[in-house]
Amino acid sequence: DGGITQSPKYLFRKEGQNVTLSCEQNLNHDAMYWYRQDPGQGLRLIYYSQIVNDFQKGDIAEGYSVSREKKESFPLTVTSAQKNPTAFYLCASTIWAGYSNQPQHFGDGTRLSIL
Amino acid sequence: DAKTTQPTSMDCAEGRAANLPCNHSTISGNEYVYWYRQIHSQGPQYIIHGLKNNETNEMASLIITEDRKSSTLILPHATLRDTAVYYCIVSFQGAQKLVFGQGTRLTINP
Repeated sequence: DGGITQSPKYLFRKEGQNVTLSCEQNLNHDAMYWYRQDPGQGLRLIYYSQIVNDFQKGDIAEGYSVSREKKESFPLTVTSAQKNPTAFYLCASTIWAGYSNQPQHFGDGTRLSIL
Repeated sequence: DAKTTQPTSMDCAEGRAANLPCNHSTISGNEYVYWYRQIHSQGPQYIIHGLKNNETNEMASLIITEDRKSSTLILPHATLRDTAVYYCIVSFQGAQKLVFGQGTRLTINP
């Protein structure tokens, strides 16, 4: 089935470690996004990419890095510089055709916790 | 910041229609109204969106007032599985991000 796959579902990190969250989509979508959600809060944009080999910072990019080497994949690395990484991380994608009104579709998220 | 106002919580009986209101009085002409819902520990699920006409799909109906300053999401026959947080979002075409507010926590009661 077509969709967005995030892995792993749960991830634990030790202090000082970098961790990478996976996001893969087989929807042939051009644009991909990473959001962060804290308990009881809405989503905040970390990074987004509209095309392969290009990406832009969102509202809370500090302490995070991304790459977009393939259209299907948009991995997020949470670096040791991110001081409060415990959160629920959501990946989304959408068709990007200039000024498209098509909605973003989300994966089921990765819950990251610090040991 | 979110451009919408929604009630914090609502209850609805199973089998009845659930009507979720949303105020977006500052919406501009090229902004769409999107509705998503999020069940605990899952990613947001897209429900429906519209510009100015009423819209219906297999999940819900969206009623937008003529002045576009408010809208209502209607779940025609609510089930227990519709219990979730519902988000109303306004966004212009091609926007890079969706701004999620606090949403409405809808509880469907047996």
